[in-house]
Amino acid sequence: KAGVTQTPRYLIKTRGQQVTLSCSPISGHRSVSWYQQTPGQGLQFLFEYFSETQRNKGNFPGRFSGRQFSNSRSEMNVSTLELGDSALYLCASSLPGQPNTEAFFGQGTRLTVV
Amino acid sequence: QKEVEQNSGPLSVPEGAIASLNCTYSDRGSQSFFWYRQYSGKSPELIMSIYSNGDKEDGRFTAQLNKASQYVSLLIRDSQPSDSATYLCALGGQAGTALIFGKGTTLSVSS
Repeated sequence: KAGVTQTPRYLIKTRGQQVTLSCSPISGHRSVSWYQQTPGQGLQFLFEYFSETQRNKGNFPGRFSGRQFSNSRSEMNVSTLELGDSALYLCASSLPGQPNTEAFFGQGTRLTVV
Repeated sequence: QKEVEQNSGPLSVPEGAIASLNCTYSDRGSQSFFWYRQYSGKSPELIMSIYSNGDKEDGRFTAQLNKASQYVSLLIRDSQPSDSATYLCALGGQAGTALIFGKGTTLSVSS
């Protein structure tokens, strides 16, 4: 069974640009969450999508946005990049349920803003 | 503000010993608890989930949950050098809510 696939694996962007990251969940998983990981802040929740709807959003500025498609694939976009956006961006997929079911992470996208 | 506290370590144990990793949390409404292992430069890998008070064993790993005391722990028996990694404790609430992660404990197993 294929795991969570994130593309691209690495990105280098300059300040002010925008970037789009992609995530394909495990087959059958309909919930997709995004996290930002930095050495100082650890893993921080960005947002979660289920059935093409954003169900929850973390404490990040509006420059961070996302969407989910009918096949459960998800994208996140960061506009007007800042140096502080350099991080590992992780996508996790899960079977939605009560309480939270197990979430499985992709390999991540390493974003460097210069 | 939901918080998850972990000792950052490093926790150093000799090969073959038991490693004990601990996590405390603030939100009594948390319903699900997870342990992830993360090797340097890699993404987190789920190793244990626990939902009820008590112990849950899977191979060399045992997760322990005590909701009254608001702590969850992970025991690794017969520790191996390949267990050297950062271990992340995570909590979940209602479906659709975020997983809240601790900052992680770095484990070093020496041969």
